[in-house]
This record gives sequence, C-alpha cells and structure tokens, in this order.
Amino acid sequence: DVKVTQSSRYLVKRTGEKVFLECVQDMDHENMFWYRQDPGLGLRLIYFSYDVKMKEKGDIPEGYSVSREKKERFSLILESASTNQTSMYLCASTSGGPGGGYTFGSGTRLTVV
Amino acid sequence: GQQLNQSPQSMFIQEGEDVSMNCTSSSIFNTWLWYKQDPGEGPVLLIALYKAGELTSNGRLTAQFGITRKDSFLNISASIPSDVGIYFCAGQLRTSYDKVIFGPGTSLSVIP
Repeated sequence: DVKVTQSSRYLVKRTGEKVFLECVQDMDHENMFWYRQDPGLGLRLIYFSYDVKMKEKGDIPEGYSVSREKKERFSLILESASTNQTSMYLCASTSGGPGGGYTFGSGTRLTVV
Repeated sequence: GQQLNQSPQSMFIQEGEDVSMNCTSSSIFNTWLWYKQDPGEGPVLLIALYKAGELTSNGRLTAQFGITRKDSFLNISASIPSDVGIYFCAGQLRTSYDKVIFGPGTSLSVIP
C-alpha cells in the first residue's frame, strides 16, 4: 500500500516564523499535492508538483511556497506564518494517469499564535 | 473554475438507517471518486467510478456515476457508528494532469 507520511501531526508556531511542513511518499509517485482544509470550505489546493524541481500554483498559493528536490519529498513552506494560516494541511500523491485518485497523508494541524 | 456541490451539508441519522448523499457539477468529469475522512485523519478513497452509468459497491457502500457525467451518488446501507466522518466527492479529468476537484463534503453523524 502507498504510504504518504507527514512529519508532524500537530504544530504550534508563532506569527512571523518560517514554517516547514514535510511530506514523504514511498511508492515512487510522480505527482504530489498540498491542500489546506478549513471548516465549511472543504479542501483547497495550495500547490502541486508533477516532477522533481517542478511546481505549479493551485487555487490559494499566496503566503506559501514549495520545494521538491527529490521525487519522494514535497515540502510546504510558510515564509512568515500568520494567524489566518491556522488550518489542517493535507499532502497527497498519485502515480499519474487518469482516474488514479489521490492517497493522502494523515494531515498536520497547524496553529499559528 | 470547476466547482462541485454536495448535499446535504450534514446529516444526523440513527444507527441502522440508510444514507444517501449526492454530488453535482456544472462540468463533465471522466472519473468520480468518493472519499471518507475520519476525525483527525486524512481522506481515504472509498470508491472510484470510471464510466457513465456505472454502479459500484464496496461492502455497505454503493456509488453511481451519473448518466450525464455531471453527478454522482453515494449510498450507505445499515449505518453503524464508525460511518461517522466527512464524505467528499471528487471529479477528475483525463486532460488535467490528474488534478482532482473536491466537493465541500457531507458530514455524517450516527446516533447509536
């Protein structure tokens, strides 16, 4: 089974801090995604990547950046954390090809104080 | 952009009851997916549908790919307490590098 691992389940950071959220998948998937989930708003796509060193903006990229130096690892970076970035962050991956669906990690619940 | 609508937004049902929820879109999709998210966890794929009119079951769950390709339905029979969670529908296009569009979710609560 594909495993997508997010390094932290819970994080508390201060406003203005630089925050790194790490995601690793172990099945050689090409495509990786970062979402945030907020009550009533569902899953919103922040950034995605189809290959190493490649990145594309999703629907809400402002205040975020990403890094994909290795195929298995996709990092989400909050350059200067703000309280409105308090949320559940979900990483997902897929092998590519139509209809494959995504495999999600367990999520990181980030609180910015 | 593409948007999916799910109804109902939330449901409170008695254990043992059947559940129906649906998902509609203004756009056509080639694949429909249903995910379940347990509290505090990431979503997990329940059922994938690949053809208009297709009806697929996974245990007590049955999902259908609408004929128009703009909607999908999920039914849960004889609900149990562990069915609690958020159910997301999602549509996927072949020509979109596998980008999946998610609905806002239906929150299900089961009263024992």
